[in-house]
Amino acid sequence: DAGITQSPRHKVTETGTPVTLRCHQTENHRYMYWYRQDPGHGLRLIHYSYGVKDTDKGEVSDGYSVSRSKTEDFLLTLESATSSQTSVYFCAISEGGQARGEAFFGQGTRLTVV
Amino acid sequence: QQQVKQSPQSLIVQKGGISIMNCAYENTAFDYFPWYQQFPGKGPALLIAIRPDVSEKKEGRFTISFNKSAKQFSLHIMDSQPGDSATYFCAAGTQGGSEKLVFGKGMKLTVNP
Repeated sequence: DAGITQSPRHKVTETGTPVTLRCHQTENHRYMYWYRQDPGHGLRLIHYSYGVKDTDKGEVSDGYSVSRSKTEDFLLTLESATSSQTSVYFCAISEGGQARGEAFFGQGTRLTVV
Repeated sequence: QQQVKQSPQSLIVQKGGISIMNCAYENTAFDYFPWYQQFPGKGPALLIAIRPDVSEKKEGRFTISFNKSAKQFSLHIMDSQPGDSATYFCAAGTQGGSEKLVFGKGMKLTVNP
């Protein structure tokens, strides 16, 4: 299995609080991605990174920010959590970009905003 | 606008049967078409992928068929097994452009014993 660790695996938080999810990789892959998975919507890209300090928005980036200060870590922050952000969040990594080869996904983080 | 449309949303087959799932795409620039498999509680994992220079690719019981003119591709699972029960996502991407894939909404496959 690719070395991807998401933390925490489960979290319950209150509306309006900030939340940070962490993705840590040991593969030294250039590309890192954050997705959310919701019933009926499949996998939707939030943000992705193509290098240290290089990030770009995905299709559902509103309300989320990311940071990548070193190759192995990609952080997803919900500045002020809302109930609509209750979801399962997946981190993925790819050596040369998802459209050039395999993307490896983490185990997911289940976030509940109450 | 959904760029990759997956059908059906769910499928139930008997053990030993053939599972067929389909995807249609809109962007003619797409040139990489993978299928990802996801078991409950796990992240998706690449199952099989095809590039448009071939019309079919087979890996064991899994076959991708690609129809460029129709802008469609499909996944066939032969001799389906209960262990194949999972959610399957098709996706599409452009090798020379974006570094990201566009995923379909997923299809839940149940294989009854």
